Amino acid sequence: SQQGEEDPQALSIQEGENATMNCSYKTSINNLQWYRQNSGRGLVHLILIRSNEREKHSGRLRVTLDTSKKSSSLLITASRAADTASYFCALGEETSYDKVIFGPGTSLSVIP
Amino acid sequence: EAQVTQNPRYLITVTGKKLTVTCSQNMNHEYMSWYRQDPGLGLRQIYYSMNVEVTDKGDVPEGYKVSRKEKRNFPLILESPSPNQTSLYFCASSLMRGVSYNEQFFGPGTRLTVL
Repeated sequence: SQQGEEDPQALSIQEGENATMNCSYKTSINNLQWYRQNSGRGLVHLILIRSNEREKHSGRLRVTLDTSKKSSSLLITASRAADTASYFCALGEETSYDKVIFGPGTSLSVIP
Repeated sequence: EAQVTQNPRYLITVTGKKLTVTCSQNMNHEYMSWYRQDPGLGLRQIYYSMNVEVTDKGDVPEGYKVSRKEKRNFPLILESPSPNQTSLYFCASSLMRGVSYNEQFFGPGTRLTVL
């Protein structure tokens, strides 16, 4: 199985700015999920986007998916210090209904 | 409160001393899973269970055992821990199988050090 690759590995922005992180992958997927992890804690599910969707919103989150480029982006608008966390994409591969593959994550620091 | 709990949260042990990390969920979820998280590698799945008495290997099962005798509990057993099993471990659950379509709820993590 393959892993998603997040880009950048680390991102530092000022409070109020937008944060964009990307996830690229190599095989075919059914859907893609994004999770957040505050330092040393469990992951929290943010959003799921299906392979037939191009864009999805949830509050200040906007996720896009381009299956032709095999990439997804997560945009956090008007960032807050509380958004400081690591963000992971999780791939739902076509061949595996019962598993997701997590990428190595993007570490986001929002400076007050 | 709906949650996934893990115990212990921190554990330091020595090579070869058998240990069990417990995981329990109170949401009546069918699916449970164990992951390990290592720097730069993201989360890798160790084992998962789609229901009572149904378990299957994930991507890195070597050196681990699991059991699912009750729906709420999914313990992770290290029969003979080695230093390369030093890691941060997470238990997760999901309402039903098919986690590629369903969100998982994660426990707080267990930081294991094997000397």
